[in-house]
Amino acid sequence: QSALTQPASVSGSPGQSVTISCTGTTGDVGGYNYVFWYQQYPGKAPKVVIYEVSNRYPGVSHRFTGSKSGTTASLTISELQAEDEADYFCSSYTSSATYVFGTGTKVTVL
Amino acid sequence: QVLLRESGPGLAKPSETLSLTCAVSGASVTSYYWAWIRQPPEKGLEWVGYTHYTASTKYNPSLTSRVSMSLDTSNNEFSLRLTSVTAADTAVYFCARGNYPSDATGWVIWGQGTLLTVSS
Repeated sequence: QSALTQPASVSGSPGQSVTISCTGTTGDVGGYNYVFWYQQYPGKAPKVVIYEVSNRYPGVSHRFTGSKSGTTASLTISELQAEDEADYFCSSYTSSATYVFGTGTKVTVL
Repeated sequence: QVLLRESGPGLAKPSETLSLTCAVSGASVTSYYWAWIRQPPEKGLEWVGYTHYTASTKYNPSLTSRVSMSLDTSNNEFSLRLTSVTAADTAVYFCARGNYPSDATGWVIWGQGTLLTVSS
């Protein structure tokens, strides 16, 4: 199974919005509403921010929004803050009853 | 509060068989799906597989010939066994819990991870 495709990096100034894309196939992202987004700080475990495409995990800021169109899912971080600087990974359930992760995106707050 | 804690040998030699264990507190391993996910240094995440109390298991197709997982209900923990390890298996190994008691659309609670280095 091939990793989902994410941009290597995105950046924005405090207060701006950034969007991270996650592109898969009809066998994963496009076929199921089981896309998750994770935030990971260096040396730490990933933490879920969005589950099942667009649901914010309990305790996660309203500034995080998830969506999906076709075989591409997206995570938007609005009102960017310094604490949002981290790596972000998407994941999806697949038609083989397995799970696949994205390549990861580093978010930099300028 | 559900907590997961991984443990393992830290270092293994090529061709060896290794075992990692995830101790679970705050939840019973007889509920939920339980997974292993790994992350090579400076790289992305790779799903290794999951196990469930019903004896249901599923592994990453790229690892299925070398991996097995099991539950220990008496100690409320689950384990990963990986055979014929190589340097490519060097990674931080995370254990994680699925999001519903009888289904897993994704992995919502993670341990802090344990580093496994494969080197002669």
